[in-house]
Amino acid sequence: DGGITQSPKYLFRKEGQNVTLSCEQNLNHDAMYWYRQDPGQGLRLIYYSQIVNDFQKGDIAEGYSVSREKKESFPLTVTSAQKNPTAFYLCASSIVGTPNTEAFFGQGTRLTVV
Amino acid sequence: SQKIEQNSEALNIQEGKTATLTCNYTNYSPAYLQWYRQDPGRGPVFLLLIRENEKEKRKERLKVTFDTTLKQSLFHITASQPADSATYLCAPDASGSARQLTFGSGTQLTVLP
Repeated sequence: DGGITQSPKYLFRKEGQNVTLSCEQNLNHDAMYWYRQDPGQGLRLIYYSQIVNDFQKGDIAEGYSVSREKKESFPLTVTSAQKNPTAFYLCASSIVGTPNTEAFFGQGTRLTVV
Repeated sequence: SQKIEQNSEALNIQEGKTATLTCNYTNYSPAYLQWYRQDPGRGPVFLLLIRENEKEKRKERLKVTFDTTLKQSLFHITASQPADSATYLCAPDASGSARQLTFGSGTQLTVLP
């Protein structure tokens, strides 16, 4: 059935290492997004993409990188430059060009730096 | 800068009562406002969307109002049930598409049996 799949659900990273979070969708959505959620805070936008091979920085892009080589996939790399990477990461997708469009979210990846 | 405030971090109510959650926003004028439900350790799920020219929207036991003068949306759950316990996020949308959604920090609702 259709939806967004994030993997892994839990991820542990040593300081100084890069790590890549996977996000795949089979909803045929053009737009995909990455959010970060910290305890007691709302979702903050990291990056978003509205079309293959194009993406835009969100509010907190520093220390993160993305790619959009396929419509279905939007992986997020948390680099060693991200000073406080421990958080809950959420991927979402939506239709482009239609007003009132809702966002569909994956189940999230919880990243912990050890 | 744009700011979203949801009335309180936590709200406890008795089963059967009506829960009312508040979302206030400042420094922008959203054309739409969305409400999402988030359960612990899971991604948010879309519930309702209301447009700026709609005063009220209903879906089953849910009701949302949108007052552009007060810059406020109210989210009501009538005849609340323990299964309604979750965090509810409001997301005013200024651009007419989800790419500009900005989320509030949410209100954690607990419905006590």
